[in-house]
Amino acid sequence: TQLLEQSPQFLSIQEGENLTVYCNSSSVFSSLQWYRQEPGEGPVLLVTVVTGGEVKKLKRLTFQFGDARKDSSLHITAAQTGDTGLYLCAGAGAAGNKLTFGGGTRVLVKP
Amino acid sequence: DSGVTQTPKHLITATGQRVTLRCSPRSGDLSVYWYQQSLDQGLQFLIQYYNGEERAKGNILERFSAQQFPDLHSELNLSSLELGDSALYFCASSRLAGVTYNEQFFGPGTRLTVL
Repeated sequence: TQLLEQSPQFLSIQEGENLTVYCNSSSVFSSLQWYRQEPGEGPVLLVTVVTGGEVKKLKRLTFQFGDARKDSSLHITAAQTGDTGLYLCAGAGAAGNKLTFGGGTRVLVKP
Repeated sequence: DSGVTQTPKHLITATGQRVTLRCSPRSGDLSVYWYQQSLDQGLQFLIQYYNGEERAKGNILERFSAQQFPDLHSELNLSSLELGDSALYFCASSRLAGVTYNEQFFGPGTRLTVL
């Protein structure tokens, strides 16, 4: 069974600060996706990383896939209140079908 | 807006009852996935359909079943409902199936409350 562990579970920071969320597993994933979810809504896809060592940037968000494709990180620079939400990482297995989700990191950016 | 639609938005029912959740995938997507999100279990994969056929199964209870119709919409049927079935149920869709780069786009979910 593939498992994904996210850390920390909760992060509270001031606007303008930086933050990093980690997603770790003992299993190899063929790709890894990061989502952000607002209360009562569906997860919104932020990015997909596929290649080991890959780094993708989305404005102030930087995503990295580990060389061994077992871990990933999300770094937010100069966080804004609009970055508040639940961040989820999800790994796809070799068959590329089901996603295995991490437990999520709840981020609160205070003004 | 992901392009994936789900109905109803909210559903309140009693234990022992049966309900049907409906999902329409994004235009052009052939694959539909169902997930359950509860406070203690997080997001759990239930089942996947691709072009009308079951493709992968996860932690789906025997009381639950799903199907994908020729127009590619999908329904998730939950029967003999128990209190513990109360959760958010999400549908996701993707263009293909069984490929490495297979991004899934999620609908807004159906919140099921079993009383």
